Amino acid sequence: NAGVTQTPKFQVLKTGQSMTLQCAQDMNHEYMSWYRQDPGMGLRLIHYSVGAGITDQGEVPNGYNVSRSTTEDFPLRLLSAAPSQTSVYFCASSYNAVGAYEQYFGPGTRLTVT
Amino acid sequence: GENVEQHPSTLSVQEGDSAVIKCTYSDSASNYFPWYKQELGKGPQLIIDIRSNVGEKKDQRIAVTLNKTAKHFSLHITETQPEDSAVYFCAAGYSGGGADGLTFGKGTHLIIQP
Repeated sequence: NAGVTQTPKFQVLKTGQSMTLQCAQDMNHEYMSWYRQDPGMGLRLIHYSVGAGITDQGEVPNGYNVSRSTTEDFPLRLLSAAPSQTSVYFCASSYNAVGAYEQYFGPGTRLTVT
Repeated sequence: GENVEQHPSTLSVQEGDSAVIKCTYSDSASNYFPWYKQELGKGPQLIIDIRSNVGEKKDQRIAVTLNKTAKHFSLHITETQPEDSAVYFCAAGYSGGGADGLTFGKGTHLIIQP
């Protein structure tokens, strides 16, 4: 199993540009989520999904959209990038929708918005 | 919602000594408490977890203790080695419902001095 994969590893955007961060898992996990990691702030939940076709907002959802058309994929879209979205983004998945099971994290995408 | 406080933010110990990282949580309904280790340039990885029906759990040099009354839990690493140098995150979650997953602490940068 590849586990959780994320692309790209690095990305530089100009303010106002849009892009999609890709995330895929091959473990047939129901629950997938996106976090951002900023220095001194830990991991903050952006959006999550408890299954295909179901998504919901986390702690810091503004400026981001998600969709879950298949069990395997959970892309994160930045509609109009802002410097405040400079961060490292992690996708994670876990077996159970209630989230109290081991979360498997991807390797991260480092995004810089200039 | 849940709030998790983690201390210290940085911890430097001599190789071979013990390290202790402490976390407190606010929601008495939380019943799942994992610890994640993040090495430089990688995603967090689960190292140990504990559920609220247990007061202590050990895995080789790593142990976690939980005090439900005081709402705090701690990670103990004995006989520290250079490869223990990393950022450690505690988290809290509820397995009985609610799909917004885990709430993470802000992390502890553990430095093992040779």
